[in-house]
Amino acid sequence: EVQLVESGGGLVQPGGSLRLSCAASGFTFSSYAMSWVRQAPGKGLEWVSAISGSGGSTYYADSVKGRFTISRDNSKNTLYLQMNSLRAEDTAVYYCAKDSSGWRGMDYYYYMDVWGKGTTVTVSS
Amino acid sequence: SYVLTQPPSVSVAPGKTARITCGGNNIGSKSVHWYQQKPGQAPVLVIYYDSDRPSGIPERFSGSNSGNTATLTISRVEAGDEADYYCQVWDSSSDLVVFGGGTKLTVL
Repeated sequence: EVQLVESGGGLVQPGGSLRLSCAASGFTFSSYAMSWVRQAPGKGLEWVSAISGSGGSTYYADSVKGRFTISRDNSKNTLYLQMNSLRAEDTAVYYCAKDSSGWRGMDYYYYMDVWGKGTTVTVSS
Repeated sequence: SYVLTQPPSVSVAPGKTARITCGGNNIGSKSVHWYQQKPGQAPVLVIYYDSDRPSGIPERFSGSNSGNTATLTISRVEAGDEADYYCQVWDSSSDLVVFGGGTKLTVL
């Protein structure tokens, strides 16, 4: 069974840092891209970042570019999100997700087929 | 950047058909994916590649995509279908994942 378990959330002051982790099991971790998606209280889903299976390619939403860093350790089947210079608007539940991607004819597809339960990040003084 | 537009809410009586739209410029040329999120739970993929269902998703869930609108259709709606639904695409012009704003489905 595919499982994703996030950890590392908590309360942090504005300007502070936090590192989230996502432990994966039940699939060949290194073969799949992974994403972080967040959801602020009462709001919709916001994609944050993605990383290729090898870790060689990374992608970021404009809202976090330059502040957040996605990485992975394929030997530990673990995904990370290093969050620096945190702001109040970063307060959210952060989900990690296993991605499915590739070409379908001329169109490149990318979706999240398995999600973790999420970890809560609160940025407040 | 690419924008996906969903109605904030849709209401439907039990046993009827619910249709949730997702609008975007020439969205018919993209692969659209749909997620269901019940209160306090993580999202679940219900439709991928416009109209394919993952294993375990009831046949009552279907999707279509053409022109500027993609549609998630839920037939014979049940109380348990009450949830928020999000559409999603990959924006190849900017290499970003884009979500719609979400639609709250209420079963009357």
